[in-house]
Amino acid sequence: LAKTTQPISMDSYEGQEVNITCSHNNIATNDYITWYQQFPSQGPRFIIQGYKTKVTNEVASLFIPADRKSSTLSLPRVSLSDTAVYYCLVEGGANNLFFGTGTRLTVIP
Amino acid sequence: ETGVTQTPRHLVMGMTNKKSLKCEQHLGHNAMYWYKQSAKKPLELMFVYNFKEQTENNSVPSRFSPECPNSSHLFLHLHTLQPEDSALYLCASSQEPRVGKLFFGSGTQLSVL
Repeated sequence: LAKTTQPISMDSYEGQEVNITCSHNNIATNDYITWYQQFPSQGPRFIIQGYKTKVTNEVASLFIPADRKSSTLSLPRVSLSDTAVYYCLVEGGANNLFFGTGTRLTVIP
Repeated sequence: ETGVTQTPRHLVMGMTNKKSLKCEQHLGHNAMYWYKQSAKKPLELMFVYNFKEQTENNSVPSRFSPECPNSSHLFLHLHTLQPEDSALYLCASSQEPRVGKLFFGSGTQLSVL
């Protein structure tokens, strides 16, 4: 199984750009990389998904290097409402339903 | 609104009670899932259903009994639970099993006394 490793927690001030990196050394050729956001007492919410290079949507950007062994979620100009847990998943085959411990992001005023 | 609705939002039950959690998805998806999230722990996948058929049971104790009468509804029947079963129970769906993004409900916060 492709295991993911993320920092347990991060702090950031409002208005700053936040980059959360995820390592997935055993990613398979058919695997996609997906990020979810979870607020307390709610289910995770899909943020972004990518296969290689860069993907951008209205919420975030996802950077994936050529070897695909890591990925970086970039949140531009975070606000207090971005305080949440962010999960990186490698999706494909037997891997895509298993969430790790995630990264707890705290945005400070 | 994710298109996945769970009821009730909160549930308190004794160890001898029998209760059921309900999940309904309005997305036309074929796969549905139950997850358990204990305090400060990762989400644990419990059951996977594809077109009403259970395809995975990740070593879940028999005091948890899932039911999927159709591809839009999923239940989790609870009986003789233990205090350590207190957790947030989340339902999710996806277009196909193990493919594509998951859509989660808001969960049922369960407390077993």
